[in-house]
Amino acid sequence: AQKITQTQPGMFVQEKEAVTLDCTYDTSDPSYGLFWYKQPSSGEMIFLIYQGSYDQQNATEGRYSLNFQKARKSANLVISASQLGDSAMYFCAMRGGRGSTLGRLYFGRGTQLTVWP
Amino acid sequence: DVKVTQSSRYLVKRTGEKVFLECVQDMDHENMFWYRQDPGLGLRLIYFSYDVKMKEKGDIPEGYSVSREKKERFSLILESASTNQTSMYLCASSPVQGAGSHSPLHFGNGTRLTVT
Repeated sequence: AQKITQTQPGMFVQEKEAVTLDCTYDTSDPSYGLFWYKQPSSGEMIFLIYQGSYDQQNATEGRYSLNFQKARKSANLVISASQLGDSAMYFCAMRGGRGSTLGRLYFGRGTQLTVWP
Repeated sequence: DVKVTQSSRYLVKRTGEKVFLECVQDMDHENMFWYRQDPGLGLRLIYFSYDVKMKEKGDIPEGYSVSREKKERFSLILESASTNQTSMYLCASSPVQGAGSHSPLHFGNGTRLTVT
């Protein structure tokens, strides 16, 4: 079974500082994908970044980067130069599985990030 | 841009009522999903569908059913609403893909359902 673990229910960071949100996963599938989503207080789910299990390099998207350590089964999100607008819930998710379960995402419980001035 | 539209943003229903949550996507996606979001529990999959009239149970299907008569529409049905079904419900869609696919799920804005 696929499992995603986010151990930080809440994180605080000062504006302009970098912050790392932790995510570990468990799967026996050789091929899988890892995703991060942001959910502001308005509720919409915003896709941030993706890392494939066979990707050789860590994914980056603007101020977001993914610290992918395959042997440790971790996929931490790094946000550089935090902004007040980064305050939100962040979810780590994984796609894996076989057959008809292909395509679904398994989500962690989320980390609430608060950026203070 | 992909658009996933959920018919209601807020809904208040009484215990025992039959409740329909509707979701429509405009990108001809094969896959559609219903997730439930509760504080401290993240998103949990209720049902998903990979084709018209096809459905698969997710992790928490009890008390729910779904309907997919047309490709663009996926309905979640609470046959007899109960207070423990008070939650945020999120619909999502994606094209058909493999496990390593980079295509994300596209979510609607959610329906916050309160059962009293």
